Amino acid sequence: AQSVTQLDSHVSVSEGTPVLLRCNYSSSYSPSLFWYVQHPNKGLQLLLKYTSAATLVKGINGFEAEFKKSETSFHLTKPSAHMSDAAEYFCVVTPIYNQGGKLIFGQGTELSVKP
Amino acid sequence: GAVVSQHPSWVICKSGTSVKIECRSLDFQATTMFWYRQFPKQSLMLMATSNEGSKATYEQGVEKDKFLINHASLTLSTLTVTSAHPEDSSFYICSARVAGEIQETQYFGPGTRLLVL
Repeated sequence: AQSVTQLDSHVSVSEGTPVLLRCNYSSSYSPSLFWYVQHPNKGLQLLLKYTSAATLVKGINGFEAEFKKSETSFHLTKPSAHMSDAAEYFCVVTPIYNQGGKLIFGQGTELSVKP
Repeated sequence: GAVVSQHPSWVICKSGTSVKIECRSLDFQATTMFWYRQFPKQSLMLMATSNEGSKATYEQGVEKDKFLINHASLTLSTLTVTSAHPEDSSFYICSARVAGEIQETQYFGPGTRLLVL
């Protein structure tokens, strides 16, 4: 079985400061892990994905995430927040060779960026 | 690449009417598309998995006769909300999986907001 827990429902940072959005997963199989971002009233945009290659994954807009198997974590970071980063972020897991294609979503973390 | 569109982006309808939402993969073929529902301030809930040329697989608790899904081609899936009622008001999002891609990346459409009066 797979599950994902986003440890914070809401994170608030000041513009220019680092961002850390935490995600822990549980998976019976080797997982694929994703971070998606959703701006208000929009669909989801893929930020980055981990699929058993390099454990440090770089995504779009300066975001990156590190897969830590020992900690079952896949935290999302960015060195310097921008106002446009304010959005909802979803951590997602699926078995790496998931024939069914189902994604397991976390509950989401709302990121606020203060000027 | 990997762009998914939805139409309409939002729709208002009267209770009892049916509403069709289209999901298209614009620059790739999608053997599998997924339909999600999202309530305000909540995560996405998978409603059904749609495979081209076959019947959709619905998640537990989703009424297949109310939410009709058709996936007639490799680039188009439709969701029809039949006899819509106010409780069906929600944000509906589709996604598509690239055919032949090993890593299970899904690309999401922009969503359709449905309001049933």
